Amino acid sequence: EAQVTQNPRYLITVTGKKLTVTCSQNMNHEYMSWYRQDPGLGLRQIYYSMNVEVTDKGDVPEGYKVSRKEKRNFPLILESPSPNQTSLYFCASSLGSPNSPLHFGNGTRLTVT
Amino acid sequence: LAKTTQPISMDSYEGQEVNITCSHNNIATNDYITWYQQFPSQGPRFIIQGYKTKVTNEVASLFIPADRKSSTLSLPRVSLSDTAVYYCLVGYYQKVTFGIGTKLQVIP
Repeated sequence: EAQVTQNPRYLITVTGKKLTVTCSQNMNHEYMSWYRQDPGLGLRQIYYSMNVEVTDKGDVPEGYKVSRKEKRNFPLILESPSPNQTSLYFCASSLGSPNSPLHFGNGTRLTVT
Repeated sequence: LAKTTQPISMDSYEGQEVNITCSHNNIATNDYITWYQQFPSQGPRFIIQGYKTKVTNEVASLFIPADRKSSTLSLPRVSLSDTAVYYCLVGYYQKVTFGIGTKLQVIP
């Protein structure tokens, strides 16, 4: 089944403890991206990647890192999480052509205390 | 990047046609207009996409005027299961901008 898989679905952590949220897609998509969703703010793009070893900042990249060493994986790294990064995170992928739709994962709900 | 404006919420009775309009005054030449549907605690799901004029699929229609400064998502004969948040998205695939979304509540 074609899908974008995020792990974990739920994560509770403490301030400053490094964490990684994984994202994997099995559709051979060129493009992958991360979003965070907060009440009243919609989905905001954190980082995106057009291909292996190519990443770029979205609208809210501060406090996050990403890497794209393999085509299928695009992990989101929080080196030193803070409470303002408590949010619902979504990973998405697409073929990368202008009219190809985004396929989203089921989300990771992160709580930083 | 083109900023989008949508109504925050809409109510509709079952069986009615629902039209949700999105404004995107600064849309760029290369930008496509895409609509997504999102249920609580799930990732958004692609509904329809267009560049100009009218696009129709089995789920919805998308109307885009010649100046492309707005677009209208049309959902025919909505049911309770159409209750969701609908996002208007404008942008070339690299760096997309989501609107805040329209929360559609379908009433029995």
